[in-house]
Amino acid sequence: LAKTTQPISMDSYEGQEVNITCSHNNIATNDYITWYQQFPSQGPRFIIQGYKTKVTNEVASLFIPADRKSSTLSLPRVSLSDTAVYYCLVTNNAGNMLTFGGGTRLMVKP
Amino acid sequence: NAGVTQTPKFQVLKTGQSMTLQCAQDMNHEYMSWYRQDPGMGLRLIHYSVGAGITDQGEVPNGYNVSRSTTEDFPLRLLSAAPSQTSVYFCASSFREMNTEAFFGQGTRLTVV
Repeated sequence: LAKTTQPISMDSYEGQEVNITCSHNNIATNDYITWYQQFPSQGPRFIIQGYKTKVTNEVASLFIPADRKSSTLSLPRVSLSDTAVYYCLVTNNAGNMLTFGGGTRLMVKP
Repeated sequence: NAGVTQTPKFQVLKTGQSMTLQCAQDMNHEYMSWYRQDPGMGLRLIHYSVGAGITDQGEVPNGYNVSRSTTEDFPLRLLSAAPSQTSVYFCASSFREMNTEAFFGQGTRLTVV
């Protein structure tokens, strides 16, 4: 599976939009981009998944350009409760288990 | 809905002791896996199973054993605990391939002294 690279940490303020970019230069044709969120002392939680263009759900949006070598997770109007670690993963249906990198530690300030 | 249940939540072991971390899911998921997370790090795969009776090694399997006798349960055994195994352990399950949503337990915080 392709390796992902994302910023180690980001700071934001309540009410702002936060964009976290992930690089996955070696993504394969059958791979998807999947994001998980992890709060302190909890297991990761699935946020969103996409293959190309844009995907939106009640929590976030995921933007994937045509070359699919990067993706951006967008969190609209963050609140203090969005403080967490966000992991970008490349996933597929080939039987591989999830491979986590270091994630991006988002700190939302009042 | 219970989801993925891990027991115990906390455990302290002495070096050389053995123990079993329990993981159970009630979603009839085929895929189950164990990860460990060290402070400030991402999760690393220990062992996984793609169905009852089938297990395989992940990235860091040494010192751990698993079995999958039922769809619901996937216990992780520490054979002879070492301080290097001090970590938080997470169990996860998904319906089929990990490209579908994976559900994680709340974790077991293990300290080996």
